[in-house]
Amino acid sequence: KAGVTQTPRYLIKTRGQQVTLSCSPISGHRSVSWYQQTPGQGLQFLFEYFSETQRNKGNFPGRFSGRQFSNSRSEMNVSTLELGDSALYLCASSLSFPETQYFGPGTRLLVL
Amino acid sequence: SQQGEEDPQALSIQEGENATMNCSYKTSINNLQWYRQNSGRGLVHLILIRSNEREKHSGRLRVTLDTSKKSSSLLITASRAADTASYFCATEWEYGNKLVFGAGTILRVKS
Repeated sequence: KAGVTQTPRYLIKTRGQQVTLSCSPISGHRSVSWYQQTPGQGLQFLFEYFSETQRNKGNFPGRFSGRQFSNSRSEMNVSTLELGDSALYLCASSLSFPETQYFGPGTRLLVL
Repeated sequence: SQQGEEDPQALSIQEGENATMNCSYKTSINNLQWYRQNSGRGLVHLILIRSNEREKHSGRLRVTLDTSKKSSSLLITASRAADTASYFCATEWEYGNKLVFGAGTILRVKS
């Protein structure tokens, strides 16, 4: 089976812009979750989608949003980017959240 | 604040030695998972231990869970250079469908 894929792998944006990241889960996985990883805050849970519905949400501002499509692919959007949004954004898929998560390689976002 | 805290923050050992990492958490959990991350890439799931289990093995990995002390340990036996990575514990809270990661232990295995 193909693993979790994320696009793009690297991204450079400027403050105030918005960005959309994409995640394709493992075939058959209907749960997709997103995480932000920074040196200061570590790995933090953003949200989880299942069957096109957001089921769980972490403590992030409303600038962070996501959606899931009928084929389970998911996108994450960050609006009005801030310098502190620079991070590695990881997507994971699973059969049953939050048990065994299969992670993608991540998208490294740099906000200038 | 993060649920899980790993100890030590960093560990450097020789190839062939055993490596032990510890994780402490604050609230009741359903299960605890360990993940490995190589050089800022995606995480790889290593093992899941449920709250009613005390010990679990997978290859060279041994995980223990002590719910009375709210702690877990990951033992990697006969370490290899390829084990060099960051190791994270992640807990599923008992009263919230959420996965919370610790700060991680950086393991360096010297050949």
